[in-house]
Amino acid sequence: DQQVKQNSPSLSVQEGRISILNCDYTNSMFDYFLWYKKYPAEGPTFLISISSIKDKNEDGRFTVFLNKSAKHLSLHIVPSQPGDSAVYFCAASALIYNQGGKLIFGQGTELSVKP
Amino acid sequence: EAGVTQFPSHSVIEKGQTVTLRCDPISGHDNLYWYRRVMGKEIKFLLHFVKESKQDESGMPNNRFLAERTGGTYSTLKVQPAELEDSGVYFCASSAAPGQSTDTQYFGPGTRLTVL
Repeated sequence: DQQVKQNSPSLSVQEGRISILNCDYTNSMFDYFLWYKKYPAEGPTFLISISSIKDKNEDGRFTVFLNKSAKHLSLHIVPSQPGDSAVYFCAASALIYNQGGKLIFGQGTELSVKP
Repeated sequence: EAGVTQFPSHSVIEKGQTVTLRCDPISGHDNLYWYRRVMGKEIKFLLHFVKESKQDESGMPNNRFLAERTGGTYSTLKVQPAELEDSGVYFCASSAAPGQSTDTQYFGPGTRLTVL
């Protein structure tokens, strides 16, 4: 069973507009959530994270929102740029997993930002 | 500072053969992880080393997979004998802090394994 789900395999957005990527999780023990960005032929690169004690974390053009009651998080990119075109992975972890560290990933959402 | 490196970048082998993947973590990182992405699906955890010790190997698919990290530096992941379903991209990641869930994992570029 998949504990982290990204139900949209792809998203296309116009340059300058907002990109919203969504992620749902099922395990209430998750206490830390991350977004990774991946370009072709490269490994995932850490983008932004949020602890379960917060509901929002912002870093420049990137903001992650966490709704614990709905077990849902989202990544907002404003404004979107063509260089943001990549696959975005949502990931979660929990201290329960043997001193933490183990990441559970979603399937990824491919974002395409059109000029 | 050099990032996580993996070798080879690609490997094509026939079913039944053996393949060994190598990962060199960021210098000084005690935590080393192996993950695998199959057929464009999610990235799945395989195992976690703290220095040379296996902290968590709950994601290892079966006993055809053997991971080692002798001396607590680089790690190898051997698949023997390889099966068709082992095809995918194998990622290695490392982190500095002692397994804290808030520590950032830095990923290597991956090894694309194709089993024919």
